[in-house]
Amino acid sequence: AQTVTQSQPEMSVQEAETVTLSCTYDTSENNYYLFWYKQPPSRQMILVIRQEAYKQQNATENRFSVNFQKAAKSFSLKISDSQLGDTAMYFCAFQAGNNRKLIWGLGTSLAVNP
Amino acid sequence: DVKVTQSSRYLVKRTGEKVFLECVQDMDHENMFWYRQDPGLGLRLIYFSYDVKMKEKGDIPEGYSVSREKKERFSLILESASTNQTSMYLCASSFPGASGNTIYFGEGSWLTVV
Repeated sequence: AQTVTQSQPEMSVQEAETVTLSCTYDTSENNYYLFWYKQPPSRQMILVIRQEAYKQQNATENRFSVNFQKAAKSFSLKISDSQLGDTAMYFCAFQAGNNRKLIWGLGTSLAVNP
Repeated sequence: DVKVTQSSRYLVKRTGEKVFLECVQDMDHENMFWYRQDPGLGLRLIYFSYDVKMKEKGDIPEGYSVSREKKERFSLILESASTNQTSMYLCASSFPGASGNTIYFGEGSWLTVV
């Protein structure tokens, strides 16, 4: 069975600094997708970034980038120039290529301090 | 923008009541999901639907049922509410078929069963 592990329940970072959230997963699939979702205090979950397993290049979206290590089954999220609005719960998720369902990590609560 | 609307943000119900949580999406998505979110447990899938009148059990379907009579609407039903169903409920939707599609979430429904 696939699993997703986020080993850091809580993290904090100073405004304008860089922070990395870790995520590891376990699967025997070769075709899959990985996601980071953000859930701010207002509670609406939104997609931050997505990575296709067949792509070697790490995905980036403005200040958000990932370090995808397929062999190590690691998918960390780096937030550069942290902003107060980045304060949120961050969830890592895995989806096998032939499955509609996502497997979710338990989340990392990130606080950006002024 | 995709909009997933959950009809009730906050509900308080009595033990034994029948509870309906309604969700509507405006993007013609085939896939719709109901999740439950509890502190320390992350997101757990209750049911999902990949077409009108089609449904599949998720990881924790016990005590819940769903209805998908129209493509845009996916209802979660608690047949006889219990206090252990006090939780945040998240509805979501996504495009059909191929994996890797973004999941769009509603704002959530806070249910308290007393």
